[in-house]
Amino acid sequence: DTGVSQDPRHKITKRGQNVTFRCDPISEHNRLYWYRQTLGQGPEFLTYFQNEAQLEKSRLLSDRFSAERPKGSFSTLEIQRTEQGDSAMYLCASSYGGMGKNIQYFGAGTRLSVL
Amino acid sequence: AQKVTQAQTEISVVEKEDVTLDCVYETRDTTYYLFWYKQPPSGELVFLIRRNSFDEQNEISGRYSWNFQKSTSSFNFTITASQVVDSAVYFCALSELKGETSGSRLTFGEGTQLTVNP
Repeated sequence: DTGVSQDPRHKITKRGQNVTFRCDPISEHNRLYWYRQTLGQGPEFLTYFQNEAQLEKSRLLSDRFSAERPKGSFSTLEIQRTEQGDSAMYLCASSYGGMGKNIQYFGAGTRLSVL
Repeated sequence: AQKVTQAQTEISVVEKEDVTLDCVYETRDTTYYLFWYKQPPSGELVFLIRRNSFDEQNEISGRYSWNFQKSTSSFNFTITASQVVDSAVYFCALSELKGETSGSRLTFGEGTQLTVNP
């Protein structure tokens, strides 16, 4: 049973470029979450999917951010026209809905640096 | 709105000392979950424990123990006989208890950097 996988681990981009990150959840998990973590802070919630449906979005998710989970398996997070303030670690988590479960397990994250 | 406060930004101890990490939370919900996660330098958040607001029993797992006190809105974490491998950032987190049919976002504290020196 592999854990949550995120790709790439590191991304360096220039301001104004678009970037896309991928998250592969634990195989039987139907829920997928994206968080953002800046240096010295705790993770902050961005958005959440149950199967392919995006059920909740944070105010942090500006219109430059879009997330998809087209087949209810892997998910992508795209940031358009990146800004230096987007530099952060982007964490993905997954969980399995069911009695006594619903614990979020995290991937190692994608560290984005916007120059 | 939910809020988690970890007042200790950094703690440094010598190996074999006991150490307690504090967590205080705020929520309007009457039912909720509390969590602790560990983030080693590799970056991956590692789940340690989840407690629901119905259950105030303290829990012990090996060298780890957790003290949940609803009256003071605290969920403190103690490591007994600390080891160098315990060095990491530890996060306390809170979520709604919506029932098992729906997911719920985690609200994290700012974390406590624990350094255990040999």
